[in-house]
Amino acid sequence: QLQLQESGPGLVKPSETLSLTCTVSGGSISSSSYYWGWIRQPPGKGLEWIGSMYYIGSTYYNPSLKSRVTISVDTSKNQFSLKLTSVTAADTAVYYCASGTPPYGIDVWGQGTTVTVSS
Amino acid sequence: QPVLTQSSSASASLGSSVKLTCTLISGHSSYIIAWHQQQPGKAPRYLMKVEGSGSYNTGSGVPHRFSGSSSGADRYLTISNLQSEDEADYYCETWDSNTHVFGTGTKVTVL
Repeated sequence: QLQLQESGPGLVKPSETLSLTCTVSGGSISSSSYYWGWIRQPPGKGLEWIGSMYYIGSTYYNPSLKSRVTISVDTSKNQFSLKLTSVTAADTAVYYCASGTPPYGIDVWGQGTTVTVSS
Repeated sequence: QPVLTQSSSASASLGSSVKLTCTLISGHSSYIIAWHQQQPGKAPRYLMKVEGSGSYNTGSGVPHRFSGSSSGADRYLTISNLQSEDEADYYCETWDSNTHVFGTGTKVTVL
């Protein structure tokens, strides 16, 4: 059974880069059976899809974040990562890594990690 | 205009049923959606996907009292025999060309 675990700094300064990693267990990150993605949830608000990466290396991003987001994969560690540049307080949120089976929606969630943007 | 529309809240008594609606924008009425449950302070949990035909497939370990259905552009999640642990936010999700979008969520209160 696929399991996902986020890790990374809980505090990031404004204008810096937010970097998070998701460790995958129970499945191979190189498998074409899955895609990998990031979703966030600001305090008291709903879910916002950030982006996803597919087997062939194709990435898709939320248009509202596209200029600041990069999702990448480290096959040697069975991990995938999120980088969000030039963060502001509006990027404060719980960040979830997630997975799904193409061509469908998300069906596995990580437990989430809280990131606060503050000086 | 949002791709998905959900009511902000719903309530029902313990042991009764509640039916949540997720409406797809015009032109997307054939789309598949997924339902996710988020209990207070927890990560979301995948419940099921619902097709335009009305068929649905639940995730592993999802109780049988959760079911899905469809009518036109509406996708439904019905919770039967409502339990206290069903008090949560419920989000629908859809996707197109590998981009995803979530509805604004419905908060379910168990009376």
